[in-house]
Amino acid sequence: KAGVTQTPRYLIKTRGQQVTLSCSPISGHRSVSWYQQTPGQGLQFLFEYFSETQRNKGNFPGRFSGRQFSNSRSEMNVSTLELGDSALYLCASSLGGSGTDMGRYTFGSGTRLTVV
Amino acid sequence: GQQVMQIPQYQHVQEGEDFTTYCNSSTTLSNIQWYKQRPGGHPVFLIQLVKSGEVKKQKRLTFQFGEAKKNSSLHITATQTTDVGTYFCAVTNDYKLSFGAGTTVTVRA
Repeated sequence: KAGVTQTPRYLIKTRGQQVTLSCSPISGHRSVSWYQQTPGQGLQFLFEYFSETQRNKGNFPGRFSGRQFSNSRSEMNVSTLELGDSALYLCASSLGGSGTDMGRYTFGSGTRLTVV
Repeated sequence: GQQVMQIPQYQHVQEGEDFTTYCNSSTTLSNIQWYKQRPGGHPVFLIQLVKSGEVKKQKRLTFQFGEAKKNSSLHITATQTTDVGTYFCAVTNDYKLSFGAGTTVTVRA
């Protein structure tokens, strides 16, 4: 069973540019979540999608957006990049049960974004 | 939202020794999960605890959920170099995982 696939693995962008990250969940998993990991802030929730619907969104500016397609694949976009957006962006998939029991999450290897 | 506090932030362990990391919440939790992230890697699911007082073992790892469901612990016995990494506890609520800050473990051979 293939794991969660994130592309690209590494990305270097210039301030002001935009970036799109992709995530393919485990087959059968309908929930895809995105997390930002930085040394200072740890793991922070960005948003969660289930059957193409965003069910929750973290406390990030509107420059961060996402979407999910009918095949459960998901993308996240960051516009007008800032230096502080440099981070490891992790995608996780789960079966996606209730709000308080989503089951185990399987994380992808992440996309390391560096903004210069 | 729900927050969990993890202690200690860092744990330096002599190979072969035991250690415990703790996760505490001010509110009652519906469940708690534990993840391990190796250096340069991504979080990997270890366990989910749901019941009050639940204890689960995975080889040298013992996970416990408090009776009041407000705290959890991970105890590792006979630490090995393969135990190096950061251990996170996390709670699910509102379709998201809220992570603790993690305990970063280093091992002295």
